[in-house]
Amino acid sequence: ETGVTQSPTHLIKTRGQQVTLRCSSQSGHNTVSWYQQALGQGPQFIFQYYREEENGRGNFPPRFSGLQFPNYSSELNVNALELDDSALYLCASSLAGTGDIYGYTFGSGTRLTVV
Amino acid sequence: AQSVTQLGSHVSVSEGALVLLRCNYSSSVPPYLFWYVQYPNQGLQLLLKYTSAATLVKGINGFEAEFKKSETSFHLTKPSAHMSDAAEYFCAVSGGITDKLIFGTGTRLQVFP
Repeated sequence: ETGVTQSPTHLIKTRGQQVTLRCSSQSGHNTVSWYQQALGQGPQFIFQYYREEENGRGNFPPRFSGLQFPNYSSELNVNALELDDSALYLCASSLAGTGDIYGYTFGSGTRLTVV
Repeated sequence: AQSVTQLGSHVSVSEGALVLLRCNYSSSVPPYLFWYVQYPNQGLQLLLKYTSAATLVKGINGFEAEFKKSETSFHLTKPSAHMSDAAEYFCAVSGGITDKLIFGTGTRLQVFP
């Protein structure tokens, strides 16, 4: 059984650019959530995808968008990058709809630095 | 609305001493409560979770937490700290087992020899 894998592990972008982060869910999981963790803070919920549809969103602007693919992998896209977008982005997968008791499995994250 | 408050951004203990990390929650629905650990440059690892079964929850690495509804608390304890326990610990609340997680600001645990 594989865990959640995220790519790339580190990324440096310039303000105003666009970035795509990728996440492969744990085998058998059908739900993916994305979190932003700024330095010294707890993770903040960005959005969740279930069966390729957005299924909940946190307090993030529309320039944060996502996709979930039929194989349940996911992408997080951020347009018009700002310096405050510098953070660790965490992907978490889970199995919804079947009463799974294990909750989320987190990936190791992508460290995004905006300069 | 749900929230968690972690009291103490830094906790220092000696190796072998009791570890106590505090978490208080606020929730308008019966909460699911979690403790996660984060080692440097890594993601989050689940230590334990409360899902309305037993109020005393045992987790990995010798950690346990007790759900106290009257105190709206879910403090994390370990009888004897080990050097390898040094990490950042996050308390989180949700309205369902796969609902979005609301995290606290974290407590950094330092363990001295």
